[in-house]
Amino acid sequence: QSALTQPASVSGSPGQSITISCTGTSSDVGAYNYVSWYQQHPGKAPKLMIYDVSNRPSGVSNRFSGSKSGNTASLTISGLQAEDEADYYCSSYTSSSTYVFGTGTKVTVL
Amino acid sequence: QVHLVESGGGVVQPGRSLRLSCAASGFTFSSYALHWVRQAPGKGLEWVAFISYYGSNKYYADSVKGRFTISRDNTRNTLFLQMNSLRAEDTAVYYCARGGSYSDYWGQGTLVTVSS
Repeated sequence: QSALTQPASVSGSPGQSITISCTGTSSDVGAYNYVSWYQQHPGKAPKLMIYDVSNRPSGVSNRFSGSKSGNTASLTISGLQAEDEADYYCSSYTSSSTYVFGTGTKVTVL
Repeated sequence: QVHLVESGGGVVQPGRSLRLSCAASGFTFSSYALHWVRQAPGKGLEWVAFISYYGSNKYYADSVKGRFTISRDNTRNTLFLQMNSLRAEDTAVYYCARGGSYSDYWGQGTLVTVSS
Protein backbone atom coordinates (compact mmCIF):
# COMPACT_ATOMS: atom_id res chain seq x y z
CA GLN A 1 0.00 0.00 0.00
CA SER A 2 2.45 2.65 -1.12
CA ALA A 3 1.16 6.21 -1.29
CA LEU A 4 0.42 7.65 -4.70
CA THR A 5 3.11 10.08 -5.86
CA GLN A 6 2.35 13.78 -6.06
CA PRO A 7 4.70 16.75 -6.42
CA ALA A 8 5.43 18.29 -3.04
CA SER A 9 4.57 21.78 -4.23
CA VAL A 10 3.09 23.66 -7.17
CA SER A 11 2.78 27.41 -7.50
CA GLY A 12 1.20 29.89 -9.85
CA SER A 13 0.13 33.49 -10.14
CA PRO A 14 -3.49 34.59 -9.84
CA GLY A 15 -5.37 33.83 -13.03
CA GLN A 16 -2.94 31.19 -14.21
CA SER A 17 -3.62 27.47 -14.54
CA ILE A 18 -1.75 24.78 -12.66
CA THR A 19 -1.84 20.99 -12.85
CA ILE A 20 -1.12 18.51 -10.06
CA SER A 21 -0.16 14.99 -11.03
CA CYS A 22 -0.92 11.81 -9.10
CA THR A 23 1.02 8.74 -10.16
CA GLY A 24 0.07 5.26 -9.07
CA THR A 25 0.24 1.80 -10.54
CA SER A 26 -1.78 -0.58 -12.67
CA SER A 27 -3.27 -1.87 -9.40
CA ASP A 28 -4.83 1.39 -8.36
CA VAL A 29 -5.02 4.55 -10.50
CA GLY A 30 -4.56 2.63 -13.74
CA ALA A 31 -7.07 -0.06 -12.88
CA TYR A 32 -10.16 1.89 -11.86
CA ASN A 33 -11.92 5.18 -12.54
CA TYR A 34 -12.17 5.71 -8.78
CA VAL A 35 -9.78 8.59 -8.38
CA SER A 36 -10.84 11.49 -6.20
CA TRP A 37 -9.22 14.77 -5.18
CA TYR A 38 -9.43 16.62 -1.86
CA GLN A 39 -8.56 20.15 -0.83
CA GLN A 40 -7.43 20.80 2.73
CA HIS A 41 -6.85 24.17 4.30
CA PRO A 42 -4.72 24.33 7.48
CA GLY A 43 -6.53 22.99 10.52
CA LYS A 44 -9.58 22.00 8.49
CA ALA A 45 -11.07 18.72 7.33
CA PRO A 46 -10.51 17.69 3.71
CA LYS A 47 -13.08 18.78 1.12
CA LEU A 48 -14.03 16.68 -1.91
CA MET A 49 -13.20 18.51 -5.17
CA ILE A 50 -13.32 15.79 -7.83
CA TYR A 51 -14.66 12.23 -7.78
CA ASP A 52 -14.52 9.31 -10.20
CA VAL A 53 -11.62 10.95 -12.09
CA SER A 54 -13.42 13.92 -13.56
CA ASN A 55 -16.73 14.57 -11.82
CA ARG A 56 -17.27 17.72 -9.82
CA PRO A 57 -19.56 17.72 -6.76
CA SER A 58 -22.30 20.29 -6.55
CA GLY A 59 -20.92 23.57 -5.23
CA VAL A 60 -17.34 23.06 -6.42
CA SER A 61 -16.12 25.69 -8.85
CA ASN A 62 -15.83 24.66 -12.50
CA ARG A 63 -12.28 26.00 -12.35
CA PHE A 64 -11.39 22.57 -10.96
CA SER A 65 -11.14 19.67 -13.40
CA GLY A 66 -9.75 16.15 -13.34
CA SER A 67 -8.44 13.66 -15.85
CA LYS A 68 -6.52 10.40 -16.08
CA SER A 69 -4.10 8.78 -18.49
CA GLY A 70 -2.74 5.35 -17.72
CA ASN A 71 -1.42 5.23 -14.17
CA THR A 72 -1.43 9.01 -13.71
CA ALA A 73 -4.34 11.20 -12.72
CA SER A 74 -4.28 14.99 -12.83
CA LEU A 75 -6.08 17.88 -11.18
CA THR A 76 -6.11 21.19 -13.02
CA ILE A 77 -7.01 24.47 -11.39
CA SER A 78 -7.70 27.22 -13.89
CA GLY A 79 -8.00 30.92 -13.12
CA LEU A 80 -6.01 30.43 -9.91
CA GLN A 81 -7.34 32.41 -6.96
CA ALA A 82 -5.91 33.22 -3.54
CA GLU A 83 -8.48 30.95 -1.86
CA ASP A 84 -7.12 27.98 -3.82
CA GLU A 85 -3.95 28.05 -1.72
CA ALA A 86 -4.16 24.78 0.22
CA ASP A 87 -2.94 21.20 0.30
CA TYR A 88 -4.37 18.82 -2.29
CA TYR A 89 -4.55 15.03 -2.07
CA CYS A 90 -5.54 12.44 -4.62
CA SER A 91 -7.01 9.10 -3.64
CA SER A 92 -7.66 5.85 -5.45
CA TYR A 93 -9.39 2.53 -4.90
CA THR A 94 -7.01 -0.42 -5.21
CA SER A 95 -7.17 -4.01 -6.41
CA SER A 96 -6.89 -5.13 -2.77
CA SER A 97 -10.26 -3.47 -2.04
CA THR A 98 -8.41 -0.85 -0.02
CA TYR A 99 -7.84 2.83 -0.65
CA VAL A 100 -4.69 4.91 -0.91
CA PHE A 101 -4.00 8.62 -0.73
CA GLY A 102 -1.36 10.59 -2.53
CA THR A 103 1.60 12.18 -0.80
CA GLY A 104 -0.04 15.60 -1.01
CA THR A 105 0.75 18.80 -2.89
CA LYS A 106 0.99 22.26 -1.40
CA VAL A 107 -0.41 24.85 -3.80
CA THR A 108 0.94 28.35 -3.40
CA VAL A 109 -0.61 31.38 -5.08
CA LEU A 110 2.18 33.83 -5.76
CA GLN B 1 -27.58 18.86 6.68
CA VAL B 2 -25.00 16.13 6.98
CA HIS B 3 -22.98 16.06 10.17
CA LEU B 4 -20.25 13.70 11.29
CA VAL B 5 -18.86 14.22 14.80
CA GLU B 6 -15.91 12.19 16.05
CA SER B 7 -15.16 11.65 19.72
CA GLY B 8 -13.06 9.46 21.97
CA GLY B 9 -9.61 10.82 21.23
CA GLY B 10 -7.08 11.64 23.90
CA VAL B 11 -3.68 10.75 25.31
CA VAL B 12 -2.96 7.04 25.75
CA GLN B 13 0.14 5.04 26.63
CA PRO B 14 1.79 2.75 24.09
CA GLY B 15 0.25 -0.70 24.09
CA ARG B 16 -3.08 0.48 25.45
CA SER B 17 -6.46 0.68 23.72
CA LEU B 18 -8.84 3.43 22.68
CA ARG B 19 -12.26 3.43 21.02
CA LEU B 20 -13.27 6.23 18.69
CA SER B 21 -16.87 7.04 17.79
CA CYS B 22 -18.38 9.00 14.93
CA ALA B 23 -21.97 10.17 15.38
CA ALA B 24 -23.79 10.82 12.12
CA SER B 25 -26.89 12.87 11.37
CA GLY B 26 -28.69 14.45 8.45
CA PHE B 27 -28.71 11.41 6.15
CA THR B 28 -29.79 7.78 6.01
CA PHE B 29 -26.81 6.27 7.82
CA SER B 30 -27.39 2.68 6.72
CA SER B 31 -27.30 3.68 3.04
CA TYR B 32 -23.65 4.71 3.08
CA ALA B 33 -20.29 3.05 3.43
CA LEU B 34 -17.86 4.79 5.74
CA HIS B 35 -14.13 5.29 6.21
CA TRP B 36 -11.65 6.20 8.90
CA VAL B 37 -8.77 8.36 7.68
CA ARG B 38 -5.96 9.72 9.82
CA GLN B 39 -3.40 12.49 9.58
CA ALA B 40 -0.26 12.54 11.70
CA PRO B 41 0.88 16.01 12.82
CA GLY B 42 2.29 17.89 9.85
CA LYS B 43 1.87 14.87 7.56
CA GLY B 44 -0.46 13.77 4.80
CA LEU B 45 -3.71 11.84 4.81
CA GLU B 46 -3.58 8.09 5.41
CA TRP B 47 -6.52 5.80 4.76
CA VAL B 48 -7.16 3.53 7.76
CA ALA B 49 -10.29 1.44 7.31
CA PHE B 50 -13.54 0.96 5.37
CA ILE B 51 -16.88 -0.57 6.28
CA SER B 52 -19.79 -1.31 3.95
CA TYR B 53 -23.43 -0.32 4.51
CA TYR B 54 -24.35 -3.13 6.88
CA GLY B 55 -20.88 -3.93 8.09
CA SER B 56 -20.47 -7.14 6.13
CA ASN B 57 -17.33 -5.94 4.36
CA LYS B 58 -14.40 -4.43 6.21
CA TYR B 59 -10.96 -3.54 4.91
CA TYR B 60 -7.87 -2.18 6.64
CA ALA B 61 -4.56 -0.54 5.86
CA ASP B 62 -1.61 -2.86 6.43
CA SER B 63 -0.33 -0.48 9.12
CA VAL B 64 -3.34 -1.19 11.37
CA LYS B 65 -4.48 -4.67 10.30
CA GLY B 66 -4.84 -6.98 13.27
CA ARG B 67 -4.80 -4.08 15.76
CA PHE B 68 -7.76 -1.90 14.70
CA THR B 69 -11.38 -2.93 14.19
CA ILE B 70 -13.97 -0.86 12.38
CA SER B 71 -17.66 -1.38 13.19
CA ARG B 72 -20.96 0.42 12.97
CA ASP B 73 -24.33 0.50 14.72
CA ASN B 74 -26.99 1.47 12.19
CA THR B 75 -29.60 1.73 14.95
CA ARG B 76 -27.56 4.43 16.65
CA ASN B 77 -26.16 6.05 13.47
CA THR B 78 -22.67 5.62 14.85
CA LEU B 79 -19.35 4.44 13.43
CA PHE B 80 -16.61 3.05 15.67
CA LEU B 81 -12.89 2.37 15.53
CA GLN B 82 -11.49 0.09 18.20
CA MET B 83 -7.75 0.65 18.41
CA ASN B 84 -5.63 -1.87 20.32
CA SER B 85 -1.88 -2.20 20.88
CA LEU B 86 -1.42 1.46 20.11
CA ARG B 87 1.98 2.71 18.98
CA ALA B 88 3.59 6.12 18.87
CA GLU B 89 3.16 6.13 15.08
CA ASP B 90 -0.63 5.95 15.53
CA THR B 91 -0.58 9.51 16.84
CA ALA B 92 -2.82 11.48 14.48
CA VAL B 93 -6.07 13.28 13.95
CA TYR B 94 -8.64 10.63 13.05
CA TYR B 95 -11.43 11.58 10.65
CA CYS B 96 -14.55 9.66 9.79
CA ALA B 97 -15.76 10.16 6.23
CA ARG B 98 -18.91 9.22 4.37
CA GLY B 99 -18.86 7.32 1.13
CA GLY B 100 -17.41 4.42 -0.79
CA SER B 101 -15.11 5.19 -3.68
CA TYR B 102 -15.02 8.83 -2.60
CA SER B 103 -15.87 10.74 0.59
CA ASP B 104 -18.22 13.68 0.22
CA TYR B 105 -18.53 14.54 3.90
CA TRP B 106 -15.93 14.49 6.65
CA GLY B 107 -16.02 15.06 10.37
CA GLN B 108 -13.82 17.62 12.10
CA GLY B 109 -11.52 14.93 13.48
CA THR B 110 -10.43 13.76 16.92
CA LEU B 111 -6.81 13.79 18.06
CA VAL B 112 -5.20 10.61 19.36
CA THR B 113 -1.82 10.97 21.03
CA VAL B 114 0.12 7.84 21.93
CA SER B 115 2.80 8.70 24.44
CA SER B 116 4.22 7.48 27.71
